[in-house]
Amino acid sequence: AQSVTQPDIHITVSEGASLELRCNYSYGATPYLFWYVQSPGQGLQLLLKYFSGDTLVQGIKGFEAEFKRSQSSFNLRKPSVHWSDAAEYFCAVAPYSSYKLIFGSGTRLLVRP
Amino acid sequence: EAGVTQFPSHSVIEKGQTVTLRCDPISGHDNLYWYRRVMGKEIKFLLHFVKESKQDESGMPNNRFLAERTGGTYSTLKVQPAELEDSGVYFCASSRGGSTNEKLFFGSGTQLSVL
Repeated sequence: AQSVTQPDIHITVSEGASLELRCNYSYGATPYLFWYVQSPGQGLQLLLKYFSGDTLVQGIKGFEAEFKRSQSSFNLRKPSVHWSDAAEYFCAVAPYSSYKLIFGSGTRLLVRP
Repeated sequence: EAGVTQFPSHSVIEKGQTVTLRCDPISGHDNLYWYRRVMGKEIKFLLHFVKESKQDESGMPNNRFLAERTGGTYSTLKVQPAELEDSGVYFCASSRGGSTNEKLFFGSGTQLSVL
């Protein structure tokens, strides 16, 4: 069965520090991969997506993610975290090029001043 | 351009009662999706409308849940009767087309608490 695993429920980083959020997926073929962010009181906002091509994708707000087929991973990174990045982050897979998304359980990011 | 709007933002009801959630998609978006997140777990797909037709309702948990999209505009999701395990956040999303080439827009969700 297709699944997405985000092994870290909570992560705390200091403002200005680098960030990596982990995401592993289980799927037979190369899926469509997404990272969404949810800030308090807001809907989910797309940070970036990977369909094919260059395995390093750039997103909004200075985020990037790297697709590694050998590790079935799609980790999200940011070189320097800002206090406004505190939110919950969701990795998702779209197995069939439709928006019947399969989400991970989310990682809540806390940012220390 | 207005985003995806969901009403109410919060609802607290007792077990056995009925609750109706509403979603207004972005104007012109034929595709409308319902998802829910129960008890801090993963967000799960419930169903997908294309205009007024149910394209895929494979994620609907049981027959206590009824989704409609009369006229292909706004959608409602009714839970009748509500059970404790229905508590969670219900998200609506919409897109112009049905493929992942289109951008998907999410509402801010309805927090449902069943006591």
